[in-house]
Amino acid sequence: DSGVTQTPKHLITATGQRVTLRCSPRSGDLSVYWYQQSLDQGLQFLIQYYNGEERAKGNILERFSAQQFPDLHSELNLSSLELGDSALYFCASSPPDGDRGYTFGSGTRLTVV
Amino acid sequence: GQNIDQPTEMTATEGAIVQINCTYQTSGFNGLFWYQQHAGEAPTFLSYNVLDGLEEKGRFSSFLSRSKGYSYLLLKELQMKDSASYLCAVDTGGFKTIFGAGTRLFVKA
Repeated sequence: DSGVTQTPKHLITATGQRVTLRCSPRSGDLSVYWYQQSLDQGLQFLIQYYNGEERAKGNILERFSAQQFPDLHSELNLSSLELGDSALYFCASSPPDGDRGYTFGSGTRLTVV
Repeated sequence: GQNIDQPTEMTATEGAIVQINCTYQTSGFNGLFWYQQHAGEAPTFLSYNVLDGLEEKGRFSSFLSRSKGYSYLLLKELQMKDSASYLCAVDTGGFKTIFGAGTRLFVKA
């Protein structure tokens, strides 16, 4: 157990639907990052939050949104889902000093049918 | 633009040494990470290089040359459990870390 909790582990849904992925960071970490990993592809950075505030944005689609709550857990909302959104979605957290890298959760495998 | 290049796949023999290279061209650079990722699992942190030179950590070592935009991960005394993808990632500053596509390493007996 890495200390970063992601739910659900698996999600199967139909095109056009909306889903919410949840992440609780490791205790003491203020930063939360969301990444998308499609089959045989690298991790694509989506968005980062620090202590409730959005800090950085990657190539996140307008159909996707995220937020970090006062208790530091984060949610990634994916709407108007398309087949191409099928992927592993990872959440990671990090402490204020970044030289220990990110701690990743076990991911949510999203399948859009 | 941001570009991180790694070989797609490598194969090595149990007990041997393998070097996985990474070259990068990014708009900013604070440091370079290496992560290990087994299939279907989360990446796990291996190393972080900020300054030029070699950092050794047990069987794994990581090297960085900032002037050349180059890094490598060296794995010694390979074991079957080292079969995994190895991800090179650059902290570009601005709170963004960009990942390469990863190198899939196969260790054979």
